[in-house]
Amino acid sequence: EIVLTQSPATLSLSPGERATLSCRASQSVSSYLAWYQQKPGLAPRLLIYDASNRATGIPARFSGSGSGTDFTLTISSLEPEDFAVYYCQQRSNWPLTFGGGTKMEIK
Amino acid sequence: EVQLLESGGGLVQPGGSLRLSCAASGFTFSSNDMSWVRQAPGKGLEWVSAISGSGGSTYYADSVKGRFTISRDKSKSTLYLQMNSLRAEDTAVYYCAKDDGSGWHYFGYWGQGTLVTVSS
Repeated sequence: EIVLTQSPATLSLSPGERATLSCRASQSVSSYLAWYQQKPGLAPRLLIYDASNRATGIPARFSGSGSGTDFTLTISSLEPEDFAVYYCQQRSNWPLTFGGGTKMEIK
Repeated sequence: EVQLLESGGGLVQPGGSLRLSCAASGFTFSSNDMSWVRQAPGKGLEWVSAISGSGGSTYYADSVKGRFTISRDKSKSTLYLQMNSLRAEDTAVYYCAKDDGSGWHYFGYWGQGTLVTVSS
């Protein structure tokens, strides 16, 4: 099973600041990695797929990078609605796996 | 418009069984792989199981293998998850999910979730 480790567990930032979230895989997943955003009481929303492609309707301030085992989600300038929990997920191998999440909170 | 509507959750005793359903609409059901993803209270996301569009291939997380069975009914456009030998650690919101064209097994569409509580 591919283990995805996200860091940091919690990120405290202010609106307008830049956010950098990390996801590290226990073995290569090539570029088969996605990022999701989840707000309380709601289903997750797909942000990024194949490491760097924005999903439909996702603002340009969200970007993804990386390949192999190290991946980054960057939010260039935080908006109030961006404070949420973020998960990475790999589809390279069965079983599909998610990272443990990064909670982005307002500083 | 793609819609996924889960049902069948509830309170069940340890060792009991429950069958979840996910009614799908707005897309060609038999052409799409489908998955179940769960989230324990206050915890992260855990992929549970997937099934191919034809139903011929199924996949499970180790945590549910041998206890849960995923299936689909093309005539009803409905996905199922039969859960047996339930444990307290199976308590979670269960979502059905599918891709949105971004790629197989990325989840661009989600249902609203159904809560399963395993407790005596």
